[in-house]
Amino acid sequence: AQTVTQSQPEMSVQEAETVTLSCTYDTSESDYYLFWYKQPPSRQMILVIRQEAYKQQNATENRFSVNFQKAAKSFSLKISDSQLGDAAMYFCAYRGANAGNMLTFGGGTRLMVKP
Amino acid sequence: KAGVTQTPRYLIKTRGQQVTLSCSPISGHRSVSWYQQTPGQGLQFLFEYFSETQRNKGNFPGRFSGRQFSNSRSEMNVSTLELGDSALYLCASSVGTVNTGELFFGEGSRLTVL
Repeated sequence: AQTVTQSQPEMSVQEAETVTLSCTYDTSESDYYLFWYKQPPSRQMILVIRQEAYKQQNATENRFSVNFQKAAKSFSLKISDSQLGDAAMYFCAYRGANAGNMLTFGGGTRLMVKP
Repeated sequence: KAGVTQTPRYLIKTRGQQVTLSCSPISGHRSVSWYQQTPGQGLQFLFEYFSETQRNKGNFPGRFSGRQFSNSRSEMNVSTLELGDSALYLCASSVGTVNTGELFFGEGSRLTVL
């Protein structure tokens, strides 16, 4: 079974600075997808960024980028120019290539942004 | 375009009762997935439906069941409620089951079991 681990229960960052959230996973599959989801206090989960395991290039979405290290099974999220609206729970998630929409989530990291 | 709608948003039940939660996916989405979120266990996959058929099922007891209707709306049912069933139940929809498809989540149904 796949597992996803987020070792940082809480992180804080100063507004406008950069923060990196860590995620490691364990799988025996070679083809899979990785995601970062954001859950603000309103509770609605929002997709931040996704990475296909077969792609060597790290995904980027505006201020959000990932550092995908397939051999190390590591998938960290970097948030640049942090904004107050970035404060939320962040979940790393794994989906196998043939798993439909079945995601395995990490325990989450609560990000606080200080003004 | 309306998002994923879950009803009810909040509900309180007592042990032994049963509960039915409803999820209306985004128009045109045919896949609906359900997740349970608790402080202790985190986010756990319950089941996924596509075109009225259960495609995947998580590791939950048979008290948890679901179904999907021809209009893609989905319901999940929990029978013989236990205190540990208190959780936020999240529904997510997507166009299909292609792995690169984005999942869109609802705001959840908060169930409290007394």
